[in-house]
Amino acid sequence: DTEVTQTPKHLVMGMTNKKSLKCEQHMGHRAMYWYKQKAKKPPELMFVYSYEKLSINESVPSRFSPECPNSSLLNLHLHALQPEDSALYLCASSQDPSGGAVNTQYFGPGTRLTVL
Amino acid sequence: AQSVTQPDIHITVSEGASLELRCNYSYGATPYLFWYVQSPGQGLQLLLKYFSGDTLVQGIKGFEAEFKRSQSSFNLRKPSVHWSDAAEYFCAVLGPGAGSYQLTFGKGTKLSVIP
Repeated sequence: DTEVTQTPKHLVMGMTNKKSLKCEQHMGHRAMYWYKQKAKKPPELMFVYSYEKLSINESVPSRFSPECPNSSLLNLHLHALQPEDSALYLCASSQDPSGGAVNTQYFGPGTRLTVL
Repeated sequence: AQSVTQPDIHITVSEGASLELRCNYSYGATPYLFWYVQSPGQGLQLLLKYFSGDTLVQGIKGFEAEFKRSQSSFNLRKPSVHWSDAAEYFCAVLGPGAGSYQLTFGKGTKLSVIP
């Protein structure tokens, strides 16, 4: 089973709202990722959690706040977003964040976020 | 730094025809290469991967890819395309990043299938 689940599937929020995206995997993977994907573009890496610790923050604005409560769960807290933040947010996980076969990333279905 | 080039932005094929999607990579060491497929509004599904060994790798849905080191290529093929194969295809290479290994994606190739 290589399933990564994400909720909600769709989210519409105003610029003053606070919301959260959730991602879950039960494959025993120890690396989890958040990507942002704009239309007709490849995914862009936002955050990497390695063994529940943040290891990469790709200069993402502070209005995006990740959280990894345990090895199976990854959250992305959203606050004071801008309309240009509207995108598909993808979560992924891999067995290990190192180089090699253990770093095969499996993606969830994504959350379609619209900021009004 | 590593990079991936997918030369074809959009390809249209007839159902039942063969398919080849091109991917060229730039990486200093032995590359770890992936092909993902994305249907509209969906997440990315892993089609196949190459790490080492046999240069012809088989994937899901009847896809295969061939790694050619001399050409820095990892082209995706399918002998007979089905209408359900219409989607966006991304080639990716795994390489070192700021604090961990990261996937670097090509810009994608959109596949349209004519019935």
